[in-house]
Amino acid sequence: EAQVTQNPRYLITVTGKKLTVTCSQNMNHEYMSWYRQDPGLGLRQIYYSMNVEVTDKGDVPEGYKVSRKEKRNFPLILESPSPNQTSLYFCASSSAQGMETQYFGPGTRLLVL
Amino acid sequence: SQKIEQNSEALNIQEGKTATLTCNYTNYSPAYLQWYRQDPGRGPVFLLLIRENEKEKRKERLKVTFDTTLKQSLFHITASQPADSATYLCALERGGSYIPTFGRGTSLIVHP
Repeated sequence: EAQVTQNPRYLITVTGKKLTVTCSQNMNHEYMSWYRQDPGLGLRQIYYSMNVEVTDKGDVPEGYKVSRKEKRNFPLILESPSPNQTSLYFCASSSAQGMETQYFGPGTRLLVL
Repeated sequence: SQKIEQNSEALNIQEGKTATLTCNYTNYSPAYLQWYRQDPGRGPVFLLLIRENEKEKRKERLKVTFDTTLKQSLFHITASQPADSATYLCALERGGSYIPTFGRGTSLIVHP
């Protein structure tokens, strides 16, 4: 089954404790991205990647890092999480030929205390 | 920067009626506009895409229109069903930017 998976689905952590949210897709997609969704603000893109070793900032990259060492994986790293990073995070992927159609993961709900 | 406006109030309609959702945008005209469906606690699911040179697109009970003069897209669900109840998001992207802008979404509630 074609899908985008994220882990963990739920995470409670404390300020300053580094964490990584993993994202993996099995569709051989070139393009992957991370979003956060907050009430009243909608989905906002954090980072995106056009292919392996190619990443770029989205609208709200501050406080986040990403890497794209393999085509299928695109982890989101919070080096020093803060309470304002409490949010619902989504990973998405799409093919180079059909970049407009993004497939979203199930989401990771993060609470930073 | 681009702004998208979707009605923040929930749309309540009766089963069998046509639901019409609105997406208005400011500033530049996007290369294309998309509509997604999102259920509570789940990721958005792509529904339809319409390009700047297209006026209308259909898929089964769904229809999207795109008026670049009014800077508006309308999303219609005909013969609505309770299972259509969800939040619907519109998103647009200027060609080549790879950074889509999403609206906040409109909640649709279809009553049996």
